Amino acid sequence: RKEVEQDPGPFNVPEGATVAFNCTYSNSASQSFFWYRQDCRKEPKLLMSVYSSGNEDGRFTAQLNRASQYISLLIRDSKLSDSATYLCVVKSSSGNTPLVFGKGTRLSVIA
Amino acid sequence: GAVVSQHPSRVICKSGTSVKIECRSLDFQATTMFWYRQFPKQSLMLMATSNEGSKATYEQGVEKDKFLINHASLTLSTLTVTSAHPEDSSFYICSAKETGTGDNSPLHFGNGTRLTVT
Repeated sequence: RKEVEQDPGPFNVPEGATVAFNCTYSNSASQSFFWYRQDCRKEPKLLMSVYSSGNEDGRFTAQLNRASQYISLLIRDSKLSDSATYLCVVKSSSGNTPLVFGKGTRLSVIA
Repeated sequence: GAVVSQHPSRVICKSGTSVKIECRSLDFQATTMFWYRQFPKQSLMLMATSNEGSKATYEQGVEKDKFLINHASLTLSTLTVTSAHPEDSSFYICSAKETGTGDNSPLHFGNGTRLTVT
């Protein structure tokens, strides 16, 4: 079983739509969770951290369910510029341990 | 904000030659840097963890004699792909976390190096 699993998509949605991505992780000892965004042939960029209580940043809402080992990202009022690959990322423990990346979910927002 | 400079951004080399990729933290110190590799439509896979002043820690299946890592200062780590082959063609990305910051502090990524071995 992969450490971080995501539906690869693609998700093709019209502008203004709401879209949700899900992710599951296998290591129950995982401590930190993130969503990154990666544009084609570019490095990943941090979109937001994910906290146990859930958190929101503008049009983006992230949720974490530790019991189910499940993370979600909700994007409201999609913009064309949201088109990218969204990477679910998990850090297994504290300290200088590396990030573990999911394969990513591709989103295309269409005019 | 914190910036990681990775160079070169793109390189084409012949099979059998070596390529050095530099990863430099410009305005912060990084005791630890991570080297990832990404094949098309795949996730970023960790290759090795680079530790300043000591030997790198390699992930299973990554040959340490082929992918030489040097982290001689708190702001610079280098990855040398030795005797490159076409199957080494990939997108190599380094990342660094500022020394002394908390667990939820972000990793800062370089802009990646696209290596093509002909």
